[in-house]
Amino acid sequence: GESVGLHLPTLSVQEGDNSIINCAYSNSASDYFIWYKQESGKGPQFIIDIRSNMDKRQGQRVTVLLNKTVKHLSLQIAATQPGDSAVYFCAERNQAGTALIFGKGTTLSVSS
Amino acid sequence: DAEITQSPRHKITETGRQVTLACHQTWNHNNMFWYRQDLGHGLRLIHYSYGVQDTNKGEVSDGYSVSRSNTEDLPLTLESAASSQTSVYFCASSPSWTGELFFGEGSRLTVL
Repeated sequence: GESVGLHLPTLSVQEGDNSIINCAYSNSASDYFIWYKQESGKGPQFIIDIRSNMDKRQGQRVTVLLNKTVKHLSLQIAATQPGDSAVYFCAERNQAGTALIFGKGTTLSVSS
Repeated sequence: DAEITQSPRHKITETGRQVTLACHQTWNHNNMFWYRQDLGHGLRLIHYSYGVQDTNKGEVSDGYSVSRSNTEDLPLTLESAASSQTSVYFCASSPSWTGELFFGEGSRLTVL
């Protein structure tokens, strides 16, 4: 079956540090991955996505890395800020290509 | 501005009652989704629709139904609410199969 998981349920960092949130996926045929951020009491918001024909994609202060060999996805946040405190979910397109399957989430806590 | 809204935001009901959660989007998106979010499980797909009159089951569809009579709305119905359906429900939409979902603010349902 399909499953998407995150290595650590919580991550605590200091303001200004770089954060790395990891995710493992099981479906080697997955062709699309996406990261979402969910702040307390709100719905998830899109951060960045990557297709399987890429290894790396950069956005504003965020970078997603994809290692298809070990089926691993990571989200790097540069110069982490208190406003980055949230739950982060990785997601992959399901085998049928019809919907997104989400991981369980990592809670990022940023202290000043 | 276009948006996606869910109602009610909070509801308490009793076991066995029928409950309907509303989802309305003004983006004219073809695709709409319902997820439930529970601690330890992340976001799990309940039902989804790719257009008017189209509905599909997700990974946790038992006990839920949806209907799509127009582009803007995808109501989620719990035919006979059970305590196991206590959760936070999120509706989302997307213009096409791009992967980027736009989520509502969530509906917290408690079944006593």
